[in-house]
Amino acid sequence: DIQMTQSPSSLSASVGDRVTITCQASQDIRKYLNWYQQKPGKAPKLLIYDAFNLDTGVPSRFSGSGSGTDFTFTISSLQPEDIATYYCQQSDNLPLTFGGGTKVEIK
Amino acid sequence: EVQLVQSGAEVKKPGKSLKISCKGSGYSFPTYWIGWVRQMPGKGLEWLGIIYPDDSDTRYSPSFQGQVTISADKSITTAYLQWSSLKASDTAMYFCARLMTSERFDAFDIWGQGTMVTVSS
Repeated sequence: DIQMTQSPSSLSASVGDRVTITCQASQDIRKYLNWYQQKPGKAPKLLIYDAFNLDTGVPSRFSGSGSGTDFTFTISSLQPEDIATYYCQQSDNLPLTFGGGTKVEIK
Repeated sequence: EVQLVQSGAEVKKPGKSLKISCKGSGYSFPTYWIGWVRQMPGKGLEWLGIIYPDDSDTRYSPSFQGQVTISADKSITTAYLQWSSLKASDTAMYFCARLMTSERFDAFDIWGQGTMVTVSS
């Protein structure tokens, strides 16, 4: 199985700050890395697929980059509605695997 | 509107069987893979498996192979997740989700609202 290591596990930032989350795969997954946002009590929501493509309707303050084993997710200007847990997920090989999650809070 | 609607919360005793459902609408249900994802209380997301409703091709995570059964009935656009003998450790929220393309295993673009399963004596 491909292991996905996400960091940090939690972070606290101020409104307007730039927030960065990293995800490392245990082997080359090419560009097949996806990012989800999950708010408390809700289902996850796809934000970015194939490393850098924004899903329909996702605000442009969210972005993704990377390839191979190292990937980055960025919120360019943190908003109060971005409080959530974010997960990466690889879709290069079965079994599909998720990172452990990053909980984002407002300072 | 493309959506997945899951069956309601369940409370069951250990050793009982259970089958939960996920009904798709607004798209060609048979030709998109449907997956199941577990989230134990306060924990992260775990992938259980996926099914292609058109031919019932099913793939399981090795961690869940033999522990659950995934099925689908394309005639009523519904996928299922079932247990033959529940354990307390099966207590979790279970989400169904659609893979965004049929050409390859991909991101999950549409999610159900989740079904909470509680197993307690």
